[in-house]
Amino acid sequence: EVQLVESGGGLVQPGESLTLSCTASGFTFSKFWIHWVRQVPGKGLVWVSRVNRDGGGIRYAASVEGRFTISRDNAGNTVYLQMSSLRADDTAVYYCVRDLVEKDAFDIWGQGTVVTVSA
Amino acid sequence: QSVLTQPPSVSAAPGQRVTISCSGSSSNIGNNYISWYQQFPGRAPRLVIYDNDKRPSGIPDRFSGSKSGTSGTLAITGLQTGDEADYYCGTWDGGLREGVFGGGTKLTVL
Repeated sequence: EVQLVESGGGLVQPGESLTLSCTASGFTFSKFWIHWVRQVPGKGLVWVSRVNRDGGGIRYAASVEGRFTISRDNAGNTVYLQMSSLRADDTAVYYCVRDLVEKDAFDIWGQGTVVTVSA
Repeated sequence: QSVLTQPPSVSAAPGQRVTISCSGSSSNIGNNYISWYQQFPGRAPRLVIYDNDKRPSGIPDRFSGSKSGTSGTLAITGLQTGDEADYYCGTWDGGLREGVFGGGTKLTVL
């Protein structure tokens, strides 16, 4: 089965750090760009970051630039999102997604991992 | 406020046709492909249209997409109660150098 599984979410205090992981299975991981998308429950989708097939082409949303770092390990079929200086408005469900055709077409979504930033 | 503009809600009766619009600019829709996503409460989104008008495997041909200039449209024909969901458009914005989404449209099948 083709799937992405996120892990690493949790409750942290403002200013703290957290690293999310996204592990892929059922497809050739190294052939696809991977993105992170987040969503506050009841609100819309917000794009966060992307990494291309070989770990380059990295981009971030302005709201997380300088605080979040995306990386990937093709040998381990895993993408990481290191989040630092977390703020209350980073609270959301974080989805790891596969880009079908390298044109921001997200055909495979993980189940999501919840990040809560609160004192 | 979202970069792409969608109506907050649309509604139609079972069996009817409904369209959902997505308006942007030359830096996003005007020069990139649109994707559309369906999301049920408590679930992850599902891709229903990519490359403006292509359907992924498993998406019925009742779903179609189009693009003209800086706007895109998702059309659903033969509406079913099971189509009730939130729908989002998305694309890349070359000016912002970010992915962007619309604010989402809640489809109600009356």
